[in-house]
Amino acid sequence: GAVVSQHPSWVICKSGTSVKIECRSLDFQATTMFWYRQFPKQSLMLMATSNEGSKATYEQGVEKDKFLINHASLTLSTLTVTSAHPEDSSFYICSAGTLDLQDNEQFFGPGTRLTVL
Amino acid sequence: GENVEQHPSTLSVQEGDSAVIKCTYSDSASNYFPWYKQELGKRPQLIIDIRSNVGEKKDQRIAVTLNKTAKHFSLHITETQPEDSAVYFCAPGEGYSTLTFGKGTMLLVSP
Repeated sequence: GAVVSQHPSWVICKSGTSVKIECRSLDFQATTMFWYRQFPKQSLMLMATSNEGSKATYEQGVEKDKFLINHASLTLSTLTVTSAHPEDSSFYICSAGTLDLQDNEQFFGPGTRLTVL
Repeated sequence: GENVEQHPSTLSVQEGDSAVIKCTYSDSASNYFPWYKQELGKRPQLIIDIRSNVGEKKDQRIAVTLNKTAKHFSLHITETQPEDSAVYFCAPGEGYSTLTFGKGTMLLVSP
């Protein structure tokens, strides 16, 4: 149980276009979803936290108008990278958490590798 | 915010040896102490975690020890195997929803 999927697994786009990444909790209802960014050989950096039906809370330095997060249901959150540029190329990983499990933890998706040309 | 330091950044061992990775943190409110293993291009996988009401937890070859007074916790891997080679991250937090990831330790296990 506690499976999180992401789509697409990789995407290549031209500079200036927008890209949408989906994160789904497949077998549980995610109270909270998290979006991380990981540059090569670096750690995971939290971008934002979102609760279903609420606006996302962004970490300092993350532009909310550039990284649009929607968490419309308990099983789906989306991250849209608007007007992507080469410096946005990264590995984007979502995770999901729930209060329903006894030992709470974040369940990570497989990640989406974004390459902006 | 939480300041997390992880040492060493790289660790090379021979198969069968033990490996220890240490994580220090700054926020005394942290009460959840997980370790993640990440293989290249894959998602982080939780391998063991400990909560602040215990000092040590073991799962087969993997153990985590916690010293809340000194604000550090360590990952211990015994009888290392080549498939243990990966990057390991600590990610202390105040509950599971506020994780701060360390910079990672690359573990290389040579046959």
